[in-house]
Amino acid sequence: AQSVTQPDIHITVSEGASLELRCNYSYGATPYLFWYVQSPGQGLQLLLKYFSGDTLVQGIKGFEAEFKRSQSSFNLRKPSVHWSDAAEYFCAGGSYIPTFGRGTSLIVHP
Amino acid sequence: DGGITQSPKYLFRKEGQNVTLSCEQNLNHDAMYWYRQDPGQGLRLIYYSQIVNDFQKGDIAEGYSVSREKKESFPLTVTSAQKNPTAFYLCASHPGLGNQPQHFGDGTRLSIL
Repeated sequence: AQSVTQPDIHITVSEGASLELRCNYSYGATPYLFWYVQSPGQGLQLLLKYFSGDTLVQGIKGFEAEFKRSQSSFNLRKPSVHWSDAAEYFCAGGSYIPTFGRGTSLIVHP
Repeated sequence: DGGITQSPKYLFRKEGQNVTLSCEQNLNHDAMYWYRQDPGQGLRLIYYSQIVNDFQKGDIAEGYSVSREKKESFPLTVTSAQKNPTAFYLCASHPGLGNQPQHFGDGTRLSIL
């Protein structure tokens, strides 16, 4: 069965520090993979997506993610976090009926 | 701009009452979905519809019902059979093409009086 795992429930970083949010997937074939961000009381906004080709994908708001087939991972990164990045982040796999991870809550300290 | 509109933003339900959450999209997407979100549990699929007049149960359909009479609209009714309806409900749509992401509305928060 397809699955997406986000191992970290909460991540705390200082403003200006680098960020990496982990996502592991379990799929038979190369999956479609997505990262979404959710601010409190809002819907999900797409940050970036991976379908095929270049394994390093760029997204909005300065985020990027790298697809690593050997590690079944699709980790989200940002070189310098801003206070406004504090939110819930969801990794998802599959397209038409995606499987979502449980989310990682990002806390940013000033 | 195209998008998904959910209404109301906040909704309160009395015991034994059915309530309906609205979801409208002007993206011309074929597929629409309803998710329930509880703290720490991510998104759980309630119902989805691939085409007008057709819909399928998701993982947690008990206590909910939907209709898809128009391509643009996919209302969700939370019935009195749903004993724990307090949650954040998200509506989403998908164009039906494989390599595209879902689009989401801004959600409705349902609470019990």
